[in-house]
Amino acid sequence: SYEVTQPLSVSVALGQTARITCGGESIGFKNVEWYQQRPGQAPLLVIYRDNNRPSGITDRISASNSGNLATLTISRAQAGDEADYYCQVWDSNTLIFGGGTNLTVL
Amino acid sequence: QVQVVESGGGVVQPGGSLRLSCETSGFTFSAYSMHWVRQAPGGGLQWVGLVSSDGSEKYYADSGKGRFTISRDNYKNSLYLQMTRLTAEDTAVYYCTREGTYGARYLDVWGRGSLVTVSS
Repeated sequence: SYEVTQPLSVSVALGQTARITCGGESIGFKNVEWYQQRPGQAPLLVIYRDNNRPSGITDRISASNSGNLATLTISRAQAGDEADYYCQVWDSNTLIFGGGTNLTVL
Repeated sequence: QVQVVESGGGVVQPGGSLRLSCETSGFTFSAYSMHWVRQAPGGGLQWVGLVSSDGSEKYYADSGKGRFTISRDNYKNSLYLQMTRLTAEDTAVYYCTREGTYGARYLDVWGRGSLVTVSS
């Protein structure tokens, strides 16, 4: 079955750029979705179809997808960006989440 | 506004059954596929399954095949998850989610979740 891999944690200095990766075999040929989950809250869709932001999501969040790696980029990181981030794909009639990456803003 | 609200969670004994409900409002429920996603305490997101907009297609994660059944009532704008033969590994917050419409399986609306605890 298809697997996607995320780093357990990423740290970024306040105001700098954070990059969270999501690896999978030929993931560039799939649509990748990204969710943000702040502590105690439900997940929130922040990117759909590789690089599209839903209405209301800050333009500091962007994403790319190519080859075997999808990347979520958060620029000018703020304290409010601290959260768990999950990538997600659809494969063989199964919706698959990455294990999640905890983002810490230092 | 667009809203989905889960209910029906609680404590159930191992081997027992439970039915979760999800009431929706603010959108044309019958036009959307719907999913259930769960999250064990301290764990990541795990997909449970989906039902298509008209209920004709259903897909399940291996963890729930044969035990979980997803259904919907488009007249009541409601989604359901019937769970049987529950084990401790099914303990989780269960989220009702809406699938987006722009040609991919993404989840653009989430409820606050309903906690299911399987314990004797």
